[in-house]
Amino acid sequence: DAKTTQPPSMDCAEGRAANLPCNHSTISGNEYVYWYRQIHSQGPQYIIHGLKNNETNEMASLIITEDRKSSTLILPHATLRDTAVYYCIVRFSSGGYQKVTFGTGTKLQVIP
Amino acid sequence: ETGVTQTPRHLVMGMTNKKSLKCEQHLGHNAMYWYKQSAKKPLELMFVYSLEERVENNSVPSRFSPECPNSSHLFLHLHTLQPEDSALYLCASSQEGQGNTEAFFGQGTRLTVV
Repeated sequence: DAKTTQPPSMDCAEGRAANLPCNHSTISGNEYVYWYRQIHSQGPQYIIHGLKNNETNEMASLIITEDRKSSTLILPHATLRDTAVYYCIVRFSSGGYQKVTFGTGTKLQVIP
Repeated sequence: ETGVTQTPRHLVMGMTNKKSLKCEQHLGHNAMYWYKQSAKKPLELMFVYSLEERVENNSVPSRFSPECPNSSHLFLHLHTLQPEDSALYLCASSQEGQGNTEAFFGQGTRLTVV
């Protein structure tokens, strides 16, 4: 499965857009990029996923480069409740189930 | 509320105890997972059940014994654990076979082995 690289930490001012980058240069053609976040001591929460095209939902936007080697998660108006560890994952599918490998993620601190 | 419920939320057990963690999903999913998250470490995939059959066991010690009696329930039986087994244990579920879908996680059980 493709590995991902994320900065260990980032700060963002409350109300501003948070842009979280992720590199996945070894991604294969049929692998999706997923984003999850984990608020302290809770279970990870799904945010968004995509293959090639940019995606948007009520939580965030996902921008994937044309070569698919990197992506950016955008939280348009960060709030204090968005403080969490954000994981970028490339989904490896084997045998009809997800074998999701989590890295160390980016710890996003939203500052008042 | 994600539709995946784990009990208990917190557990303290001695090294000679036997306990079980329970996970229940109300989403109609056909795959369930156990993850372990130790302090300051990434989540580690422990076990995967797909259609109630164990399909993945990531070199987990035998003192951890999973059980999946039906598609909605998953247990993790614990016995003779070590202090280094103290961690957050997370259960997740997903619906496979219908394209790419996300995994839903429970809130976890915080286990402390004394």
